[in-house]
Amino acid sequence: RKEVEQDPGPFNVPEGATVAFNCTYSNSASQSFFWYRQDCRKEPKLLMSVYSSGNEDGRFTAQLNRASQYISLLIRDSKLSDSATYLCVVNQVMRSNYQLIWGAGTKLIIKP
Amino acid sequence: EAGVVQSPRYKIIEKKQPVAFWCNPISGHNTLYWYRQNLGQGPELLIRYENEEAVDDSQLPKDRFSAERLKGVDSTLKIQPAELGDSAVYLCASSLGGAVYQETQYFGPGTRLLVL
Repeated sequence: RKEVEQDPGPFNVPEGATVAFNCTYSNSASQSFFWYRQDCRKEPKLLMSVYSSGNEDGRFTAQLNRASQYISLLIRDSKLSDSATYLCVVNQVMRSNYQLIWGAGTKLIIKP
Repeated sequence: EAGVVQSPRYKIIEKKQPVAFWCNPISGHNTLYWYRQNLGQGPELLIRYENEEAVDDSQLPKDRFSAERLKGVDSTLKIQPAELGDSAVYLCASSLGGAVYQETQYFGPGTRLLVL
């Protein structure tokens, strides 16, 4: 089993719809979590950090479920510009150091 | 404010040749990361520096890859000799290096390497 898993998609969603995808992680010692967005042939950019209580930023909501070991990203009222690959990152503590593990990403395509 | 700068942006070489990538992080960022990203995959961490110290190089193929971060600012990643499987995008990122668990990484545009 991979340490961080994501459905590769693509998720084809009509403009204005709500879409959600998950990212599962295997290490229960994971401490912090992030969602990054990566446009085609561009570098990843931070979308949101994921806090224990969940957090919202405009149309985007991120949640953490420690019991089931996954994080989720919900996008409401999707826009054409939301088309991108969404990468989750899990920061797990190992001994006195930490490791950043990236998922392979979920591709989202918003259709007009 | 300038972002993370990488050069070159593209590089085409023949196998067995050496290649080097350069990264200049955001000013004041103590942590620097080198990643490799293959098509359809997430970034794979090669090495992470805290100032001049390489604190995580567990995924760096040390037989052919080397990296340095002299003076804790710029960094260079080298491959010698390159193999066909090294074709990928090499991304450099930096972060402040303060709160260990909540670090936002800022990425450069990457270097696209093609090994023929």
